Amino acid sequence: DAKTTQPPSMDCAEGRAANLPCNHSTISGNEYVYWYRQIHSQGPQYIIHGLKNNETNEMASLIITEDRKSSTLILPHATLRDTAVYYCIVRHGGSQGNLIFGKGTKLSVKP
Amino acid sequence: GAVVSQHPSRVICKSGTSVKIECRSLDFQATTMFWYRQFPKQSLMLMATSNEGSKATYEQGVEKDKFLINHASLTLSTLTVTSAHPEDSSFYICSASPPGASYEQYFGPGTRLTVT
Repeated sequence: DAKTTQPPSMDCAEGRAANLPCNHSTISGNEYVYWYRQIHSQGPQYIIHGLKNNETNEMASLIITEDRKSSTLILPHATLRDTAVYYCIVRHGGSQGNLIFGKGTKLSVKP
Repeated sequence: GAVVSQHPSRVICKSGTSVKIECRSLDFQATTMFWYRQFPKQSLMLMATSNEGSKATYEQGVEKDKFLINHASLTLSTLTVTSAHPEDSSFYICSASPPGASYEQYFGPGTRLTVT
């Protein structure tokens, strides 16, 4: 699976949009981009995933560049409860295999 | 979404004793579950893949005789840390995917193990 690069930390004001970037320049054609987050001392939580089209669900939006070498996770109205470590993971579609976690981005939402 | 539970959530044991951690998929059957370990301020590291009805597959560097995995049913996998030592103190997390939804991997809440 391709490697991802994320900034180690970011701050965001409560109520504002949080935009978390991820670089995955070696992604291959059949690899999806997944986002998970981990709130302190809890198990990771699935957020969203996509292949090449932008995706949106009740939690977030995922914007993937046309060349698929990078993506951005958008939390439209961040709350204090969104403070967590966000992991961007690239994985083969349909894979039953494990997820490989990098260091992620520590998002701190401030009042 | 699908729910995965772990028990216990927190355990303290003495050095040399064994500890069993349970991972259950509550509303779906999981032929495959995964066990991860997370040390403070670090990311999750895969320890082993638990397959129902067969032997677990361990990652390089993980001792299979020390971390015993049993996946006896489609909803339960157990991890036993044998002869625990203080360096085994960590946050242990399991995960599973519902059938036909491999893109969604659901994680348990984790078990905090402290070996004194």
